Amino acid sequence: GAGVSQSPSNKVTEKGKDVELRCDPISGHTALYWYRQSLGQGLEFLIYFQGNSAPDKSGLPSDRFSAERTGGSVSTLTIQRTQQEDSAVYLCASSSLAGTGSSYNSPLHFGNGTRLTVT
Amino acid sequence: GQQVMQIPQYQHVQEGEDFTTYCNSSTTLSNIQWYKQRPGGHPVFLIQLVKSGEVKKQKRLTFQFGEAKKNSSLHITATQTTDVGTYFCAVNNDMRFGAGTRLTVKP
Repeated sequence: GAGVSQSPSNKVTEKGKDVELRCDPISGHTALYWYRQSLGQGLEFLIYFQGNSAPDKSGLPSDRFSAERTGGSVSTLTIQRTQQEDSAVYLCASSSLAGTGSSYNSPLHFGNGTRLTVT
Repeated sequence: GQQVMQIPQYQHVQEGEDFTTYCNSSTTLSNIQWYKQRPGGHPVFLIQLVKSGEVKKQKRLTFQFGEAKKNSSLHITATQTTDVGTYFCAVNNDMRFGAGTRLTVKP
């Protein structure tokens, strides 16, 4: 079946503009994660959606960042008034089971990411 | 979120040498997952460890979960150039990732 799809694959924007990044998770996956990865760096957790529960927004770096997940499927990450330090690859991942309190977590399936460049 | 330390940050080896990366936590983990990210690619799931003292093998890769479930290791025997990439651990339900270990292999 189709994997996690992210769009656009590349986005160049001017400082101060708003951007929207989209993630289509694997069908049926209830958990969705957003990460940010700067060049040569690790994965910085941004936000996590699980089913109909309130999202875990603890990783969002500022109030310029927000995310929605409509109908438990597609997610949009919005960055307002972009800054040059926002330049990075934004990765989305989904999984079929997470946060249930058990020891087991389903593996994350990542999209190819959106490379954001703020000029 | 859960804080995990991953070491080393970088490792350069000669092809055929062994490689080990470690993931350490100050608190007990419910589970740990390992991922590999090839240069220019996205992270790909390798394995999950859940039980205390668990050891799992995938060909030349050996994964261990400590008895206290506070640390884990990934060991590669006789590295090959195809092993190049960054290896990440991710922990617990919130899937926070370690900083990763970047492996380069000299042919």
